[in-house]
Amino acid sequence: AQKVTQAQTEISVVEKEDVTLDCVYETRDTTYYLFWYKQPPSGELVFLIRRNSFDEQNEISGRYSWNFQKSTSSFNFTITASQVVDSAVYFCALSEKSSGNTGKLIFGQGTTLQVKP
Amino acid sequence: DAGVIQSPRHEVTEMGQEVTLRCKPISGHNSLFWYRQTMMRGLELLIYFNNNVPIDDSGMPEDRFSAKMPNASFSTLKIQPSEPRDSAVYFCASSWDRIRSGANVLTFGAGSRLTVL
Repeated sequence: AQKVTQAQTEISVVEKEDVTLDCVYETRDTTYYLFWYKQPPSGELVFLIRRNSFDEQNEISGRYSWNFQKSTSSFNFTITASQVVDSAVYFCALSEKSSGNTGKLIFGQGTTLQVKP
Repeated sequence: DAGVIQSPRHEVTEMGQEVTLRCKPISGHNSLFWYRQTMMRGLELLIYFNNNVPIDDSGMPEDRFSAKMPNASFSTLKIQPSEPRDSAVYFCASSWDRIRSGANVLTFGAGSRLTVL
């Protein structure tokens, strides 16, 4: 069965600190997709990144970087030099190719990040 | 594009009343999703439409819930009769999904916060 675990419920850091949000997933599919979404205080979910199961290259986008390791079934998200505007709930999600017909995106429980000035 | 438009943003109603939530997806998107977010259960997929046809409604909690998509630019989620346990934030999301691979990126609306007293 597919499952996404974000063990960190809440993280609090001081501005300019680096922070890593953990995500561990379970799937039996060989083809799957991993996502990160951000939910700021305004409430909407904002797409950040998608990776497919065949691409283990790490990705960097500005202060954001993602580390995908199939060996440990993890897809961790690091924010470098955090800013107050990064304060939000971050969700990791999994979609399996075999579930393409259902559109099912399995979300983790989310990690609330608070960045203090 | 204005993004996914949901209405109302907030709804407070009394138990037993009918509630209708509305969604206008992004023009050109062919897939539409209704998700529910609660503290206890996180984000759950309720129903998925592809080309206006309901593909998977296995997440709909019970017969009190129904969803329709009469055309490509409009969908409703109805709860009748409503109960206090239906209190949640309901998100509509849309995507362009040509091959139902599970890889599609969802664009979420701002959500409708429902409180049933």
